[in-house]
Amino acid sequence: NAGVTQTPKFQVLKTGQSMTLQCAQDMNHEYMSWYRQDPGMGLRLIHYSVGAGITDQGEVPNGYNVSRSTTEDFPLRLLSAAPSQTSVYFCASSGGRGLRRTGVYGYTFGSGTRLTVV
Amino acid sequence: EDQVTQSPEALRLQEGESSSLNCSYTVSGLRGLFWYRQDPGKGPEFLFTLYSAGEEKEKERLKATLTKKESFLHITAPKPEDSATYLCAVHPSGYSTLTFGKGTMLLVSP
Repeated sequence: NAGVTQTPKFQVLKTGQSMTLQCAQDMNHEYMSWYRQDPGMGLRLIHYSVGAGITDQGEVPNGYNVSRSTTEDFPLRLLSAAPSQTSVYFCASSGGRGLRRTGVYGYTFGSGTRLTVV
Repeated sequence: EDQVTQSPEALRLQEGESSSLNCSYTVSGLRGLFWYRQDPGKGPEFLFTLYSAGEEKEKERLKATLTKKESFLHITAPKPEDSATYLCAVHPSGYSTLTFGKGTMLLVSP
């Protein structure tokens, strides 16, 4: 019963490099999302998905790509890393599109990926 | 624009000293309000969901309440293990996502 698993936990990139942050959940949740958390800024939504094959942009999508080919996985791709993307990234999932199911279980978050771009 | 404002930004309490955290919100229709706890270096952990004004939820020393404009997280006789950052989030009508406040960092000293 792993919940939401994020890899890697830590990563250092050079400016211009690309990489993929992995997120997997084993709860058969329809809804998955990516947030970044910065000091003084709180959690900000990057991209989200309401089911396999369906994705949409959040508040801060620039510089990031996502895809959702399976229910379990929702990777976040950094196309060309910039120092402004230094942050802690969280993946979250929820039980369903219906609010009541979402509310009962809340959003389950992963433990985060701490990314530094130099 | 949907907004969530939490106050205070930081709060220091002595063990056993009860207090409240505030979350005020402005949304175009509220489907739900969430409270989370976040420990350093970890992801947010779900605490409560409140759906309508007047609703209350309790868990151990925590009690969350909701009005049409704000929510309170009351902490009764806190212990050092209650030290964490507490996050509030709203689920606006017509959207699939949550909007978070910046959090209140709580430190409970023995």
